Amino acid sequence: KQEVTQIPAALSVPEGENLVLNCSFTDSAIYNLQWFRQDPGKGLTSLLLIQSSQREQTSGRLNASLDKSSGRSTLYIAASQPGDSATYLCAVKLDSNYQLIWGAGTKLIIKP
Amino acid sequence: EAQVTQNPRYLITVTGKKLTVTCSQNMNHEYMSWYRQDPGLGLRQIYYSMNVEVTDKGDVPEGYKVSRKEKRNFPLILESPSPNQTSLYFCASSFTHNSPLHFGNGTRLTVT
Repeated sequence: KQEVTQIPAALSVPEGENLVLNCSFTDSAIYNLQWFRQDPGKGLTSLLLIQSSQREQTSGRLNASLDKSSGRSTLYIAASQPGDSATYLCAVKLDSNYQLIWGAGTKLIIKP
Repeated sequence: EAQVTQNPRYLITVTGKKLTVTCSQNMNHEYMSWYRQDPGLGLRQIYYSMNVEVTDKGDVPEGYKVSRKEKRNFPLILESPSPNQTSLYFCASSFTHNSPLHFGNGTRLTVT
């Protein structure tokens, strides 16, 4: 059964630092992987979607990588800002039935 | 404005009283899905729909029903709610199952 893990559960860094969030999954038979952010009291916002055939995707200060063979994805945030404070979740879509399996998230705090 | 609209935002009900949470999207998306989010358990998929009249079970479908009679609407029905269905519910949609997901703002349900 596919399991998705995000470590650490929480991270606090000073403004301006570059940082990496991690997502690991147990079964490499995935269709795609998505990164989301969730702000308190709100829904989720899609940040990046990586197809299983791709290695990385970029959007502004965000870069997501995917290594299927090792079951890992990373979300790189450059020059962090207080507005980046949120919970970041990754989700893996199964190849077999298109179900989405979610990680528990990393709560990120950027200190001004 | 392109959006996914869920109603109501908050709902308190009693055990056994049937309820429906509505979800509507105005983006002509084919794929729609429902999730519940619980502390310590993260997001779990309840049901999803690849298109009109096509629905399938996610990870935790027990106690829930859905229908997809038209493209824009995907209601979640709890025929006989129980306290263990107290949760934060999210509806989401995307152009296809392989596109970025757009989320509604959530429905916080309490069953007493």
